[in-house]
This record gives sequence, C-alpha cells and structure tokens, in this order.
Amino acid sequence: AQSVTQLDSQVPVFEEAPVELRCNYSSSVSVYLFWYVQYPNQGLQLLLKYLSGSTLVKGINGFEAEFNKSQTSFHLRKPSVHISDTAEYFCAVSPRVGYGNKLVFGAGTILRVKS
Amino acid sequence: ETGVTQSPTHLIKTRGQQVTLRCSSQSGHNTVSWYQQALGQGPQFIFQYYREEENGRGNFPPRFSGLQFPNYSSELNVNALELDDSALYLCASSLSLRGSGANVLTFGAGSRLTVL
Repeated sequence: AQSVTQLDSQVPVFEEAPVELRCNYSSSVSVYLFWYVQYPNQGLQLLLKYLSGSTLVKGINGFEAEFNKSQTSFHLRKPSVHISDTAEYFCAVSPRVGYGNKLVFGAGTILRVKS
Repeated sequence: ETGVTQSPTHLIKTRGQQVTLRCSSQSGHNTVSWYQQALGQGPQFIFQYYREEENGRGNFPPRFSGLQFPNYSSELNVNALELDDSALYLCASSLSLRGSGANVLTFGAGSRLTVL
C-alpha cells in the first residue's frame, strides 16, 4: 500500500519569492511520483512527473521537484512565484506495476501568493 | 484534440437516491478512472476501466459501480446515496498498456455532487 503526506496544508508567500512545497511518501513497492495543480473549479493538471533517471525533474510553469529515495521525499520548488501560481497542489504516487491509473494523492497544499 | 469532459457539472440529490455521472475520454485514450475528492481532501481512487472491464478498485463499497463503453466514454453510478457521498467526482483518462504505472492522466473538471 502507498500513502502520501504533504507536510503543509497552506503556504503563504509573497510574489517573486521562492517556495517549496513538501511531500513525503511511503510505499512497500517501487513507485512513480507526480505533482498536480488544481485551480478553483477546475480539474487536476499535471505539473511534472518522476519515472526514472535524473532525480531533478523540471515541469511546466517553472516548477521543479527533486526525488530523494533515502528520505522518500519529492519536494516541489519554484525560484520565483507569481500571483497566478495561487492554487492547490497535490503530490501523488502510482505503483510501478499494476493499476496504471491508481494514483494515491496527498491531502494537498494551498499556495497563496500575495502581492 | 479534445480533453476529458464530464456531465453534469453540478447536481443535488437526496439521501437514498441514485445518481449517474458521465465522462467522455480524451480522444485516443483507452483507460478511464474515477476519483472522489471530498472537500479539503485529495482525490481518492474509486476504480479503473480498461477495455470495458473494471481492472482496479479502491476502498469503495459495491454501491459505487461503473461502465466503460466501446467509444471509451464512461459512467459512474452511485446507489443509495449517503450524506458522505457529497464530493467532487473526477474522471481521468489515459492511453495505457495493461500493467503500466507510468500513465499520464488527463483529468476532467469534475462533477460536484451534493447529497441532502
């Protein structure tokens, strides 16, 4: 079984400041890792994914994440945020073998960017 | 290419009723899954359909059921609605090989169900 813990429920940050959204996971099997973003009244949009290879993954809108196997973490970072980044962010894992669409999500982190 | 479309966008039901939610997959996708997102929580996997058969299920009771049609559209049916069924229901589609966990999902905007 898998579980995902997002360590902060809300992160307030000023515009143009850097931000890190933290994610830890637990799994008895090897997993793929994902970050999704959800804007108000919309579905989920994929930001980035880690499947294999380099542990530093770059995604859309200037976001990146680093996979740390020893710490079972997959933290999301952006060096300079914009007002438009205000949204809820979800970390998710999927087992490498089995149900291809079975994502296990964290509870989400609301990023509030202030001017 | 069109994305994933869901209908209805909002609906209100009373306890004990039944509801059907519909999803049209992204063109070219062969797998559909459904998620329940309660207020303030992350989405939870309900089940997945591949080639019109359920091939994965989360921790949801049998009153949650589904269908996938030959054109890869899908339905989620919930019988005997309970207050706790109030949530946003998300449909996601992907092009997948059976057994692969690397599928990139395309999500719809969801159907918000309120049970009174």
